[in-house]
Amino acid sequence: NAGVTQTPKFQVLKTGQSMTLQCAQDMNHNSMYWYRQDPGMGLRLIYYSASEGTTDKGEVPNGYNVSRLNKREFSLRLESAAPSQTSVYFCASSRGEGATNTEAFFGQGTRLTVV
Amino acid sequence: GNSVTQMEGPVTLSEEAFLTINCTYTATGYPSLFWYVQYPGEGLQLLLKATKADDKGSNKGFEATYRKETTSFHLEKGSVQVSDSAVYFCALREKDSSYKLIFGSGTRLLVRP
Repeated sequence: NAGVTQTPKFQVLKTGQSMTLQCAQDMNHNSMYWYRQDPGMGLRLIYYSASEGTTDKGEVPNGYNVSRLNKREFSLRLESAAPSQTSVYFCASSRGEGATNTEAFFGQGTRLTVV
Repeated sequence: GNSVTQMEGPVTLSEEAFLTINCTYTATGYPSLFWYVQYPGEGLQLLLKATKADDKGSNKGFEATYRKETTSFHLEKGSVQVSDSAVYFCALREKDSSYKLIFGSGTRLLVRP
């Protein structure tokens, strides 16, 4: 099984450009998450989807939008990139509500640089 | 709101030394607690977990005990190896309908031969 797959792995954008980060999981998980990782800040939750058809804001949602396309896929869109969005982005999934095994599985990350 | 606080790094140890990385949390109710590890250039991997008070999670020689009275989940290992060099994240999962994971800031461990 591939687990959680993120694309692309690296991206350089100019300020004001838009792009979509893709994430797909093949574990039949209900919940999916987008985090950003910055030095000294740990991982901060941008958006999450507790189940198919629902999305909610996390700690740092400004400048981002998400789409839970189906149970497998959860995309993150930057409409107008800013240098402050330079970061490493991680997608994660978990079985979600009601599951006794609540481990989250992470993708390999997308390193985004906005110049 | 809920939060996780970890000791700041980097932590530098010699091989075979004893490791403790402190983690305390603030939460309403009784969250599940986790330690994740991130090796250079990789995503996070679950190291161990505990889902209720007094549970002890263990894996690869690492241990952590869920202490409700002190709201702590400290990570320990009796004898570290160079291959343990990584960044370690403490996290909690809320047991409301969102099941969000909230992370600490991470602690970098460097083990010297």
